[in-house]
Amino acid sequence: QSALTQPRSVSGSPGQSVTISCTGGSSDVGGYNSVSWYHQQPGKAPKLLIYDVSKRPSGVPNRFSGSKSGNTASLTVSGLQAEDEADYYCCSSAGSNTFVFGTGTKVTVL
Amino acid sequence: QVQLVESGGGLVKPGGSLRLSCVASGFTFSDYYMSWIRQTPGKGLEWVSSISSSGNTISYADSVKGRFTISRDNAKKSLCLQMDSLGAEDTADYHCVRGGRANFGFWGLGTPVTVSS
Repeated sequence: QSALTQPRSVSGSPGQSVTISCTGGSSDVGGYNSVSWYHQQPGKAPKLLIYDVSKRPSGVPNRFSGSKSGNTASLTVSGLQAEDEADYYCCSSAGSNTFVFGTGTKVTVL
Repeated sequence: QVQLVESGGGLVKPGGSLRLSCVASGFTFSDYYMSWIRQTPGKGLEWVSSISSSGNTISYADSVKGRFTISRDNAKKSLCLQMDSLGAEDTADYHCVRGGRANFGFWGLGTPVTVSS
């Protein structure tokens, strides 16, 4: 159950788009359509943004979108806003009802 | 509104035990998978354990298997995590989370656990 690989940090100006990658293997990301994304603002609990690769829970803006290709999942944040500055984590099923998180990415709004 | 409130964290010596609890409100507890996920500044998020809505299906991370036990009481809307044989590597904030199957929809703020002599 090794952590999924995410870039340590990404940045963008307000209004721009940023994409965060999440790379695993065939036993996790590549093997299941159960990838989710979370963001965590300072001092707060993580919040679900995307589940099942590309589905958004009620209340999550459509600026957040998810996709997957092979062993890599991606989260795109469009129209970057100041409040999007946070830590972002991916998560994938890893078989036998187990799960693995990504290493986390800090998004900075310039 | 949905609320998950954890308790039971604290300072414990290596080899010791702790029992974490989580009380849920604002939703039908017995309808949902529940999970424990821990977080450390250095290692980020780590899934620990999940339990199905009925309690019949349970899974653990390899790092805690054989040492931690998850349980739930649907009548009391509560989730527990019994942690035994604790080591320094178990030091973390432990979040009670509604959901499973890589769809962790709502998180509590967490309770801190520190394992140190």
